[in-house]
Amino acid sequence: DAGVTQSPTHLIKTRGQHVTLRCSPISGHKSVSWYQQVLGQGPQFIFQYYEKEERGRGNFPDRFSARQFPNYSSELNVNALLLGDSALYLCASSFTTGQGEKAFFGQGTRLTVV
Amino acid sequence: GDSVTQMEGPVTLSEEAFLTINCTYTATGYPSLFWYVQYPGEGLQLLLKATKADDKGSNKGFEATYRKETTSFHLEKGSVQVSDSAVYFCALSDSGANSKLTFGKGITLSVRP
Repeated sequence: DAGVTQSPTHLIKTRGQHVTLRCSPISGHKSVSWYQQVLGQGPQFIFQYYEKEERGRGNFPDRFSARQFPNYSSELNVNALLLGDSALYLCASSFTTGQGEKAFFGQGTRLTVV
Repeated sequence: GDSVTQMEGPVTLSEEAFLTINCTYTATGYPSLFWYVQYPGEGLQLLLKATKADDKGSNKGFEATYRKETTSFHLEKGSVQVSDSAVYFCALSDSGANSKLTFGKGITLSVRP
């Protein structure tokens, strides 16, 4: 069975550009969450989507947006990139949104902003 | 808000040494607690979890006990191997219906042969 797949694995963008990151959850999982992991820090929660609806949002500016499609895949969009947006972006999928639910993480997309 | 504090790293041990990685948390309600591991070049993997006070999570020789009185979830292993070299993250999930994970900063463990 395929795990959580993220694309691309690496990319380099210039300040001010926008970027779209993609995530395909494990088959049957309806919840997708996005996390930002800056070098040397733990992952920080950005968004959670369940059944195509936003169920949670972390403390990130409006430049960050996301959506979930009918097949439960998801996109994370970041506009007006800043150097500080350079990070590993992780996607996690789970069957539900409930407490203690096991979340499976993808390998991440490494974004470098220059 | 919720927070997780991990001991400062990195940690370097010799093979077969005893491992303890400290983790304390602050949360309202009754969170679930987790340890995740990130091996070089790989994504986060759930190592173990505990969902209520006094629960002990265990996996691959690692153990951690949910201590509500000390708000702690320390990770232990009796005898580490070189293959345990990785970054370890303590995390909590709040008790709401839509529960996000809150992570600590992580600690790098290096095990020497």
